[in-house]
Amino acid sequence: DTEVTQTPKHLVMGMTNKKSLKCEQHMGHRAMYWYKQKAKKPPELMFVYSYEKLSINESVPSRFSPECPNSSLLNLHLHALQPEDSALYLCASSETPSYEQFFGPGTRLTVL
Amino acid sequence: ELKVEQNPLFLSMQEGKNYTIYCNYSTTSDRLYWYRQDPGKSLESLFVLLSNGAVKQEGRLMASLDTKARLSTLHITAAVHDLSATYFCAVEEVGSGNTPLVFGKGTRLSVIA
Repeated sequence: DTEVTQTPKHLVMGMTNKKSLKCEQHMGHRAMYWYKQKAKKPPELMFVYSYEKLSINESVPSRFSPECPNSSLLNLHLHALQPEDSALYLCASSETPSYEQFFGPGTRLTVL
Repeated sequence: ELKVEQNPLFLSMQEGKNYTIYCNYSTTSDRLYWYRQDPGKSLESLFVLLSNGAVKQEGRLMASLDTKARLSTLHITAAVHDLSATYFCAVEEVGSGNTPLVFGKGTRLSVIA
C-alpha cells in the first residue's frame, strides 16, 4: 500500500459544529503532516507528528486540534471554525521528518 | 529563515515549445522536491533531488539541482496540453528544527494549441 488516504473528501460545517478530518497511511512512515491550502496558494504547514509526538505546531489557532492515535493515523479535530478556515486540508507522510513527503487527496472544507 | 522563490509564477506556452521554470532558495540545503498539482487535486511528487548536480528526467520534464547556486530548474521539452498544471518546488531546511519543507509560490502552467 503506497498511498495516503483522507476522509471525508468534502465537508461543509457551520461555525458551531465539531468535526474531524482523518488521515491514514500504511507505508510504515513515522512522520505525518497537516497542511492547509487556500486557492492558488502553496500549502501551509500546520502540524508535524514525528514518531507519534507533535514536533511542530506552526502557531495554528486552538480551534484546530491534531491527534495521532497511532503511527498510521492522524486526525484533525475542528471546533468553532471561521469562514476564512475554508480551504483544502492536505495530509502527508514521510519515512522520517527528513524524507520525501507523500500527499493524500485532501479534504475540501467549507465553513458557513 | 529559508525563502524559496519560483519564477515565472504564470506561464502560457504553445504546444511543442520548450521552457524552463526556476526555483531559487536562500539558505544551504541539498534536498529539493518538485510537485505537480492539478486544479482541485492534491500534490503529486515529480522529482526528488538530493545532491549537487542531480539531474532527473521523466517524459518531457527534466529537473536539476545546483546547490552552490541554490538553484533548481524544471525544464519542459515539447510541451503538450496534459502538462497544464501548477508546479511547486519545495526545499528542505535540514536540521534547523523549523518548518521541514518550504514551498515556492508555484508556477501555473497553461499549454495552449
